[in-house]
Amino acid sequence: QKEVEQDPGPLSVPEGAIVSLNCTYSNSAFQYFMWYRQYSRKGPELLMYTYSSGNKEDGRFTAQVDKSSKYISLFIRDSQPSDSATYLCAMKSGGSNYKLTFGKGTLLTVNP
Amino acid sequence: KAGVTQTPRYLIKTRGQQVTLSCSPISGHRSVSWYQQTPGQGLQFLFEYFSETQRNKGNFPGRFSGRQFSNSRSEMNVSTLELGDSALYLCASSLAGQNAGGTRGSRYGANVLTFGAGSRLTVL
Repeated sequence: QKEVEQDPGPLSVPEGAIVSLNCTYSNSAFQYFMWYRQYSRKGPELLMYTYSSGNKEDGRFTAQVDKSSKYISLFIRDSQPSDSATYLCAMKSGGSNYKLTFGKGTLLTVNP
Repeated sequence: KAGVTQTPRYLIKTRGQQVTLSCSPISGHRSVSWYQQTPGQGLQFLFEYFSETQRNKGNFPGRFSGRQFSNSRSEMNVSTLELGDSALYLCASSLAGQNAGGTRGSRYGANVLTFGAGSRLTVL
Protein backbone atom coordinates (compact mmCIF):
# COMPACT_ATOMS: atom_id res chain seq x y z
CA GLN A 1 0.00 0.00 0.00
CA LYS A 2 1.35 3.39 -0.99
CA GLU A 3 1.76 5.91 1.82
CA VAL A 4 -0.46 8.46 0.03
CA GLU A 5 -3.27 7.61 -2.35
CA GLN A 6 -4.87 10.19 -4.64
CA ASP A 7 -7.38 9.60 -7.42
CA PRO A 8 -5.62 10.77 -10.61
CA GLY A 9 -8.87 11.67 -12.37
CA PRO A 10 -9.11 13.30 -14.81
CA LEU A 11 -11.88 15.42 -13.36
CA SER A 12 -13.89 17.71 -15.64
CA VAL A 13 -16.42 20.21 -14.25
CA PRO A 14 -18.36 23.22 -15.56
CA GLU A 15 -17.37 26.71 -14.51
CA GLY A 16 -18.89 27.65 -11.15
CA ALA A 17 -19.02 24.09 -9.83
CA ILE A 18 -17.76 23.04 -6.42
CA VAL A 19 -14.77 20.73 -6.76
CA SER A 20 -13.75 18.16 -4.17
CA LEU A 21 -10.28 16.61 -4.26
CA ASN A 22 -9.19 13.95 -1.80
CA CYS A 23 -6.22 12.00 -0.50
CA THR A 24 -5.91 9.16 1.95
CA TYR A 25 -2.75 8.19 3.77
CA SER A 26 -1.50 5.29 5.84
CA ASN A 27 1.41 6.79 7.80
CA SER A 28 0.25 7.96 11.23
CA ALA A 29 3.44 10.01 11.58
CA PHE A 30 2.25 12.58 9.04
CA GLN A 31 1.51 15.80 10.86
CA TYR A 32 1.68 18.51 8.19
CA PHE A 33 -0.55 18.56 5.14
CA MET A 34 -0.28 20.64 2.00
CA TRP A 35 -2.00 21.09 -1.32
CA TYR A 36 0.00 22.17 -4.33
CA ARG A 37 -1.27 23.26 -7.74
CA GLN A 38 0.78 22.54 -10.84
CA TYR A 39 0.08 24.10 -14.21
CA SER A 40 1.38 22.47 -17.35
CA ARG A 41 5.12 22.98 -17.81
CA LYS A 42 5.44 24.65 -14.39
CA GLY A 43 6.60 23.59 -10.96
CA PRO A 44 4.09 22.97 -8.15
CA GLU A 45 2.98 26.04 -6.18
CA LEU A 46 1.67 25.90 -2.65
CA LEU A 47 -2.07 26.47 -2.23
CA MET A 48 -2.86 25.42 1.32
CA TYR A 49 -0.92 24.34 4.41
CA THR A 50 -2.44 22.83 7.54
CA TYR A 51 -1.08 21.04 10.58
CA SER A 52 -4.16 20.09 12.54
CA SER A 53 -7.46 18.36 12.00
CA GLY A 54 -10.28 20.61 10.92
CA ASN A 55 -10.91 23.13 8.18
CA LYS A 56 -8.82 25.99 6.86
CA GLU A 57 -10.24 28.47 4.41
CA ASP A 58 -8.44 30.78 2.00
CA GLY A 59 -10.66 32.59 -0.47
CA ARG A 60 -12.37 30.02 -2.68
CA PHE A 61 -10.25 27.18 -1.28
CA THR A 62 -10.93 25.11 1.84
CA ALA A 63 -8.59 22.43 3.12
CA GLN A 64 -9.97 19.78 5.43
CA VAL A 65 -7.96 17.31 7.49
CA ASP A 66 -9.34 14.31 9.39
CA LYS A 67 -6.41 12.65 11.12
CA SER A 68 -8.58 9.98 12.73
CA SER A 69 -9.63 8.76 9.27
CA LYS A 70 -6.29 9.62 7.64
CA TYR A 71 -8.14 11.62 5.01
CA ILE A 72 -7.60 15.10 3.61
CA SER A 73 -9.64 17.12 1.16
CA LEU A 74 -9.43 20.30 -0.86
CA PHE A 75 -12.64 22.08 -1.87
CA ILE A 76 -12.74 24.71 -4.59
CA ARG A 77 -15.84 26.90 -4.68
CA ASP A 78 -17.02 28.79 -7.76
CA SER A 79 -14.42 27.02 -9.89
CA GLN A 80 -12.88 29.01 -12.76
CA PRO A 81 -11.19 27.92 -16.01
CA SER A 82 -7.95 29.28 -14.49
CA ASP A 83 -8.23 26.56 -11.83
CA SER A 84 -7.54 23.95 -14.52
CA ALA A 85 -4.35 22.26 -13.34
CA THR A 86 -3.03 19.20 -11.54
CA TYR A 87 -3.61 19.27 -7.78
CA LEU A 88 -1.14 17.43 -5.58
CA CYS A 89 -1.56 16.59 -1.92
CA ALA A 90 1.64 16.42 0.12
CA MET A 91 2.41 15.36 3.66
CA LYS A 92 5.27 15.49 6.10
CA SER A 93 6.03 13.91 9.44
CA GLY A 94 7.28 15.92 12.38
CA GLY A 95 10.85 16.25 13.54
CA SER A 96 13.89 16.92 11.41
CA ASN A 97 12.83 14.89 8.36
CA TYR A 98 12.11 17.49 5.71
CA LYS A 99 10.94 15.07 3.04
CA LEU A 100 7.48 15.60 1.57
CA THR A 101 5.48 12.59 0.40
CA PHE A 102 3.18 13.44 -2.50
CA GLY A 103 0.06 11.95 -3.96
CA LYS A 104 0.24 11.36 -7.71
CA GLY A 105 -1.99 14.34 -8.41
CA THR A 106 -5.49 14.88 -9.79
CA LEU A 107 -5.86 16.56 -13.20
CA LEU A 108 -8.74 19.06 -13.06
CA THR A 109 -10.32 20.78 -16.06
CA VAL A 110 -12.88 23.55 -15.52
CA ASN A 111 -14.89 24.15 -18.68
CA PRO A 112 -16.21 27.66 -19.47
CA LYS B 1 11.58 38.22 -4.11
CA ALA B 2 13.12 36.04 -6.84
CA GLY B 3 11.93 32.45 -6.93
CA VAL B 4 13.77 29.19 -7.33
CA THR B 5 15.73 29.07 -10.57
CA GLN B 6 16.57 25.83 -12.34
CA THR B 7 18.80 25.38 -15.36
CA PRO B 8 18.67 24.06 -17.97
CA ARG B 9 14.91 23.92 -18.50
CA TYR B 10 15.08 21.23 -21.17
CA LEU B 11 17.77 18.80 -22.22
CA ILE B 12 18.13 15.66 -24.26
CA LYS B 13 20.74 13.01 -23.52
CA THR B 14 21.47 9.51 -24.71
CA ARG B 15 21.76 6.36 -22.64
CA GLY B 16 25.07 6.05 -20.82
CA GLN B 17 25.73 9.78 -20.68
CA GLN B 18 25.67 11.83 -17.53
CA VAL B 19 23.86 15.05 -16.73
CA THR B 20 24.22 17.88 -14.22
CA LEU B 21 21.28 20.06 -13.23
CA SER B 22 21.54 23.32 -11.33
CA CYS B 23 19.29 25.02 -8.79
CA SER B 24 19.48 28.48 -7.22
CA PRO B 25 17.22 28.74 -4.13
CA ILE B 26 15.29 31.71 -2.87
CA SER B 27 17.64 34.17 -1.22
CA GLY B 28 18.03 33.27 2.45
CA HIS B 29 16.85 29.68 2.06
CA ARG B 30 19.52 27.19 3.08
CA SER B 31 17.57 23.98 2.48
CA VAL B 32 17.38 22.63 -1.07
CA SER B 33 15.44 19.48 -1.99
CA TRP B 34 15.30 17.58 -5.25
CA TYR B 35 12.35 15.58 -6.56
CA GLN B 36 11.82 13.46 -9.65
CA GLN B 37 8.39 13.67 -11.30
CA THR B 38 7.18 11.04 -13.77
CA PRO B 39 3.65 10.21 -14.98
CA GLY B 40 3.86 6.74 -13.49
CA GLN B 41 5.37 7.45 -10.07
CA GLY B 42 4.46 11.08 -9.47
CA LEU B 43 6.79 13.20 -7.35
CA GLN B 44 9.47 11.20 -5.60
CA PHE B 45 12.00 12.58 -3.13
CA LEU B 46 15.64 12.35 -4.19
CA PHE B 47 17.59 14.18 -1.48
CA GLU B 48 17.75 17.29 0.66
CA TYR B 49 20.73 19.48 1.46
CA PHE B 50 21.22 22.02 4.21
CA SER B 51 24.35 24.08 4.71
CA GLU B 52 26.30 21.92 2.22
CA THR B 53 25.35 18.65 4.01
CA GLN B 54 22.98 15.98 2.75
CA ARG B 55 20.38 15.61 5.49
CA ASN B 56 17.89 13.23 3.90
CA LYS B 57 18.03 10.80 1.01
CA GLY B 58 15.31 8.99 -0.91
CA ASN B 59 15.34 5.51 -2.40
CA PHE B 60 17.25 6.14 -5.60
CA PRO B 61 20.37 4.34 -6.84
CA GLY B 62 23.82 5.76 -6.33
CA ARG B 63 23.84 7.05 -9.91
CA PHE B 64 21.87 9.98 -8.51
CA SER B 65 23.99 12.36 -6.50
CA GLY B 66 23.97 15.96 -5.46
CA ARG B 67 25.85 18.66 -3.69
CA GLN B 68 25.31 22.09 -2.24
CA PHE B 69 27.66 25.02 -2.32
CA SER B 70 28.38 27.61 0.35
CA ASN B 71 25.99 30.06 -1.33
CA SER B 72 23.20 27.42 -1.03
CA ARG B 73 23.09 26.77 -4.76
CA SER B 74 22.75 23.08 -5.49
CA GLU B 75 23.51 20.69 -8.31
CA MET B 76 22.34 17.17 -8.93
CA ASN B 77 24.10 14.69 -11.16
CA VAL B 78 22.83 11.54 -12.80
CA SER B 79 25.49 9.23 -14.24
CA THR B 80 25.10 6.40 -16.73
CA LEU B 81 21.69 7.59 -17.84
CA GLU B 82 18.92 5.07 -18.47
CA LEU B 83 15.72 5.50 -20.46
CA GLY B 84 13.75 5.41 -17.21
CA ASP B 85 15.55 8.53 -15.98
CA SER B 86 13.48 10.64 -18.37
CA ALA B 87 11.52 12.91 -16.05
CA LEU B 88 10.94 16.39 -14.77
CA TYR B 89 13.49 17.12 -12.06
CA LEU B 90 12.23 19.64 -9.57
CA CYS B 91 14.23 21.61 -7.08
CA ALA B 92 12.63 23.25 -4.06
CA SER B 93 13.99 25.51 -1.37
CA SER B 94 12.74 26.16 2.15
CA LEU B 95 13.63 27.56 5.54
CA ALA B 96 13.55 24.02 7.00
CA GLY B 97 16.00 23.85 9.89
CA GLN B 98 16.23 27.60 10.16
CA ASN B 99 13.10 27.88 12.33
CA ALA B 100 12.94 25.40 15.21
CA GLY B 101 9.17 25.59 15.60
CA GLY B 102 8.12 24.61 12.12
CA THR B 103 4.47 24.98 12.98
CA ARG B 104 3.78 28.32 11.41
CA GLY B 105 1.17 28.17 8.72
CA SER B 106 2.56 31.11 6.80
CA ARG B 107 3.34 30.60 3.18
CA TYR B 108 7.07 30.67 3.81
CA GLY B 109 7.09 28.71 7.09
CA ALA B 110 9.81 26.21 7.78
CA ASN B 111 8.01 23.18 6.35
CA VAL B 112 6.94 24.84 3.14
CA LEU B 113 8.72 24.08 -0.11
CA THR B 114 8.86 26.56 -2.95
CA PHE B 115 9.50 24.82 -6.23
CA GLY B 116 11.29 25.88 -9.36
CA ALA B 117 9.87 25.25 -12.83
CA GLY B 118 11.95 22.11 -13.23
CA SER B 119 14.44 20.66 -15.67
CA ARG B 120 12.86 18.29 -18.17
CA LEU B 121 15.29 15.52 -19.07
CA THR B 122 14.71 13.23 -22.02
CA VAL B 123 16.95 10.19 -22.37
CA LEU B 124 17.06 8.61 -25.82
